[in-house]
Amino acid sequence: EVQLLDSGGGLVQPGGSLRLSCIASGFTFSNYGMSWVRQAPGRGLEWVSTISASGGSTYFADSVRGRFTISRDNFKSTVYLQMNDLRPEDTAVYHCAKLRLGNGADYFGQGALVTVSS
Amino acid sequence: DIQMTQSPSSLSASVGDRVTITCRASQGVNNYLAWFQYKPGKAPKCLIYAISTLQPGAPSKFSGSGSGTDFTLTISSLQPEDFATYYCQQYNSYPWTFGQGTKVEVK
Repeated sequence: EVQLLDSGGGLVQPGGSLRLSCIASGFTFSNYGMSWVRQAPGRGLEWVSTISASGGSTYFADSVRGRFTISRDNFKSTVYLQMNDLRPEDTAVYHCAKLRLGNGADYFGQGALVTVSS
Repeated sequence: DIQMTQSPSSLSASVGDRVTITCRASQGVNNYLAWFQYKPGKAPKCLIYAISTLQPGAPSKFSGSGSGTDFTLTISSLQPEDFATYYCQQYNSYPWTFGQGTKVEVK
């Protein structure tokens, strides 16, 4: 059974940093791309970032490019989202997602709440 | 960027109703179109991918159809557990984009 456990959320001041983690189990982690999506309060789902299976390719939404980085440790079956220079508009529940081999997300974690406020 | 437009933004329906949600892309997405169910505090669930392929484990009451830029999600007989928000998403090109969501509420 695929399981994705998001963690690392919390309250941070504007301009601060936070690192989210997502520990995966139930599949061969190193074979699959991974993504992060988020839902801000009162808003819809927004794709944030994707990393390829090897980690060699990464992609970002314009709203986070230059501030967020995505990385993975295939030995620890973990994907990370490093968030720097956080803004109030980054307040959201962040979900990691496993991608299927043909692309697109098939499983999600329950989410980590990030609140950016002074 | 490819814009995804869903309609309606919300609907009220009763248990047993057939529900249809539409999604229009601003340009072609080469079959890379998925539908997700989202409930607050829960992990999003993939229902349909590649326009019409049922995600393993998703109930067969969900079906997807369409081509080109126009797509549809149908719930054949609405059950209490189906009251949620539904999103379409294109994953043909970055940035991947979602529709604004359709909230299915109890009538």
